[in-house]
Amino acid sequence: DQQVKQNSPSLSVQEGRISILNCDYTNSMFDYFLWYKKYPAEGPTFLISISSIKDKNEDGRFTVFLNKSAKHLSLHIVPSQPGDSAVYFCAAIPSSGTYKYIFGTGTRLKVLA
Amino acid sequence: ETGVTQSPTHLIKTRGQQVTLRCSSQSGHNTVSWYQQALGQGPQFIFQYYREEENGRGNFPPRFSGLQFPNYSSELNVNALELDDSALYLCASSSGLAGYQETQYFGPGTRLLVL
Repeated sequence: DQQVKQNSPSLSVQEGRISILNCDYTNSMFDYFLWYKKYPAEGPTFLISISSIKDKNEDGRFTVFLNKSAKHLSLHIVPSQPGDSAVYFCAAIPSSGTYKYIFGTGTRLKVLA
Repeated sequence: ETGVTQSPTHLIKTRGQQVTLRCSSQSGHNTVSWYQQALGQGPQFIFQYYREEENGRGNFPPRFSGLQFPNYSSELNVNALELDDSALYLCASSSGLAGYQETQYFGPGTRLLVL
């Protein structure tokens, strides 16, 4: 039962353009969402998060959008840089108070120079 | 401030054996979580320890067990290894109970292969 889904396993984008990574979830009890980035041979690193009471959060080149009615979130990277090439995971935390992160399967982003 | 470290980086075991994976959290981090990442999948939550007590568990059988020590180190033990246990095992630490206010910091993982 995949509660957090990233339906695009890979994405290629030209340097300087926008990268849009998508994530869908099925559990309406999720109320906090995070994006992690993972380089080969390294652990995932936190990128940006959003609470369900917001629909947008920005941090520099990274913006996360949340559409609760559609149970969909997206990560926008503008402008994309070659160093952004990595696997991106979205994760959700249920509102029940547990600290169990539920991750999607990841999207491999390749930014072409 | 040192990061999260894990040992060993790679490990090969045979079915039925037992394995212990180790994690050293960032200094001052009282919470450690362990995740299993199978090939092509996202990390799956195994369990979390807070101040040396288990504080939550995912859908993993009891043969997956853990320990957390006062010196910010922790262990993941897996008994009676099965082929499906082959995966990357990640530990993540945070200064409090990971959640809305506390970011988790991940180690690089231990890649376990069960033959």
